[in-house]
Amino acid sequence: EAGVVQSPRYKIIEKKQPVAFWCNPISGHNTLYWYLQNLGQGPELLIRYENEEAVDDSQLPKDRFSAERLKGVDSTLKIQPAELGDSAVYLCASSLYRGYEQYFGPGTRLTVT
Amino acid sequence: GIQVEQSPPDLILQEGANSTLRCNFSDSVNNLQWFHQNPWGQLINLFYIPSGTKQNGRLSATTVATERYSLLYISSSQTTDSGVYFCAVTFPGTPLVFGKGTRLSVIA
Repeated sequence: EAGVVQSPRYKIIEKKQPVAFWCNPISGHNTLYWYLQNLGQGPELLIRYENEEAVDDSQLPKDRFSAERLKGVDSTLKIQPAELGDSAVYLCASSLYRGYEQYFGPGTRLTVT
Repeated sequence: GIQVEQSPPDLILQEGANSTLRCNFSDSVNNLQWFHQNPWGQLINLFYIPSGTKQNGRLSATTVATERYSLLYISSSQTTDSGVYFCAVTFPGTPLVFGKGTRLSVIA
């Protein structure tokens, strides 16, 4: 069974440019999560989806970040415009339902110059 | 406030040695997971263990929820065990909260 798929794996952009990350969760998983991981820290939740509904998005900086999960399957996280401080690893995870074991994708390493 | 504390922060082992990593948490938990983040950044699931004891090969874990701690045991360590080990906890009404991790280096 395929795990959580993310693309791209690496992205380098200049500040003020837009960027988008894509995630395909494990088949059949209803809950999808986006996390941010800064260097030397554990991941922190940005947003959680239950099917196509965004819940628990209190940590998502809504002035520049947006996310969508159309049809309750794959998801896209967008930053516009990117700032230097957005350089980090963006991780996607999924679980069968909320509270069940979470499985992580390989992440997208973003560098903003 | 909600806290997940891991110890030690750093650990260096000779290949073949055993180790114990600890995770303390501040409140009763719904779920607890242990992850290994390899040098390429991939988070690998080790255990989903809100309570009790589980074993998987050279690794085992024990969570004593009433005393608010979990232990991860690594026996006969190998160089491929190197990386960062995270404990992550879901408290009632919270998302998965990660500790700061234990950075393990196994040297040949």
